Amino acid sequence: EAAVTQSPRNKVAVTGGKVTLSCNQTNNHNNMYWYRQDTGHGLRLIHYSYGAGSTEKGDIPDGYKASRPSQENFSLILELATPSQTSVYFCASGGLGDNQDTQYFGPGTRLLVL
Amino acid sequence: AQKVTQTQTSISVMEKTTVTMDCVYETQDSSYFLFWYKQTASGEIVFLIRQDSYKKENATVGHYSLNFQKPKSSIGLIITATQIEDSAVYFCAMRGNTGGADRLTFGKGTQLIIQP
Repeated sequence: EAAVTQSPRNKVAVTGGKVTLSCNQTNNHNNMYWYRQDTGHGLRLIHYSYGAGSTEKGDIPDGYKASRPSQENFSLILELATPSQTSVYFCASGGLGDNQDTQYFGPGTRLLVL
Repeated sequence: AQKVTQTQTSISVMEKTTVTMDCVYETQDSSYFLFWYKQTASGEIVFLIRQDSYKKENATVGHYSLNFQKPKSSIGLIITATQIEDSAVYFCAMRGNTGGADRLTFGKGTQLIIQP
């Protein structure tokens, strides 16, 4: 089973500040994803990646950047954080193997932007 | 565009009974994948079970099984012999073959409450 970790688990940021959320996976999956979860909206895809050096826009990319420096690591960057970005952020990985196309999720990061 | 709809916001059942959660989907793809995930009270999201659209046999994993009705674009999750720890929010999701490989579209979830 995929092991996906996220850091930090909780973050308080100020409006206009820069926030970086990190994700690491140890199952050598090619694909990684960033979602946010808000009441009434479910899980929404922000950015995803097919491998090191690759980033793609998801359904709600505005205000976010992503970076995939290696197979294992995928970061979500909020250059100028706003209160509307207060949410719970989940990273996921997926790829080839017995459960191809299945995504495995990290524990989530709770972000509060004041 | 793909769409996944879970109309049941919350379900409450007695422990040790069977419960079915509904999910309908929309897609233009001829081949696709359907998933169910569970989100626990701690926030953890766990993959439960999947159904590949080309398979006629319903998937089963432990006390989870699926009721796949392709003509109705429906994929229900059945939990038998429910336990207190099955209390959680359950999400249905799908992945097609177009519009960005491997992207999942999620429903908004159904909260399941198991009463002792």
